Amino acid sequence: QKEVEQNSGPLSVPEGAIASLNCTYSDRVSQSFFWYRQYSGKSPELIMSIYSNGDKEDGRFTAQLNKASQYVSLLIRDSQPSDSATYLCALRGPGRRALTFGSGTRLQVQP
Amino acid sequence: EAQVTQNPRYLITVTGKKLTVTCSQNMNHEYMSWYRQDPGLGLRQIYYSMNVEVTDKGDVPEGYKVSRKEKRNFPLILESPSPNQTSLYFCASRIAGSNTGELFFGEGSRLTVL
Repeated sequence: QKEVEQNSGPLSVPEGAIASLNCTYSDRVSQSFFWYRQYSGKSPELIMSIYSNGDKEDGRFTAQLNKASQYVSLLIRDSQPSDSATYLCALRGPGRRALTFGSGTRLQVQP
Repeated sequence: EAQVTQNPRYLITVTGKKLTVTCSQNMNHEYMSWYRQDPGLGLRQIYYSMNVEVTDKGDVPEGYKVSRKEKRNFPLILESPSPNQTSLYFCASRIAGSNTGELFFGEGSRLTVL
């Protein structure tokens, strides 16, 4: 089992809809969770981080964390064509210096 | 402008021909790291460095070497490249004590080994 699992997609949503991206992880002691966005041909960039159970909102983005169920999700409200990208889930466990990345979910927002 | 610079951006080489991918950052970050990205496998860490002269293996270090003689530079060395090292490589850096997870990535180096 991979440490971080994501559906590769593509996830296709119409412009203005809510896009829901999900990520599950296997290591129960993971403490820090991150969402990176990677446009085609570009490098990843951090868009959200979350450390405790519940929701964290930043503009159109909401990260949700449920440690008991070992999943983290990213909601994008009012999706725009410019949101079309691959979204990488990443986590870090206690005492680990490196981030462990999922393979990413490709999101397509249709105009 | 704060940035991580990698060179070359694209390289085609042949099996066994030593190559070096350079990485330089201008943000005075202590922590630097190399990742490779392959379809379906995501980003996997090759090596990392917590500071000058301090390096350690990541998850997939076989076939690679690194050095950290200066704080700003962290080159990746492939002594004898093989076709399974064909990949997209990213250098990244961050402040050593940062818990935010924000890695600053270079633009990537696409390597093809024939």
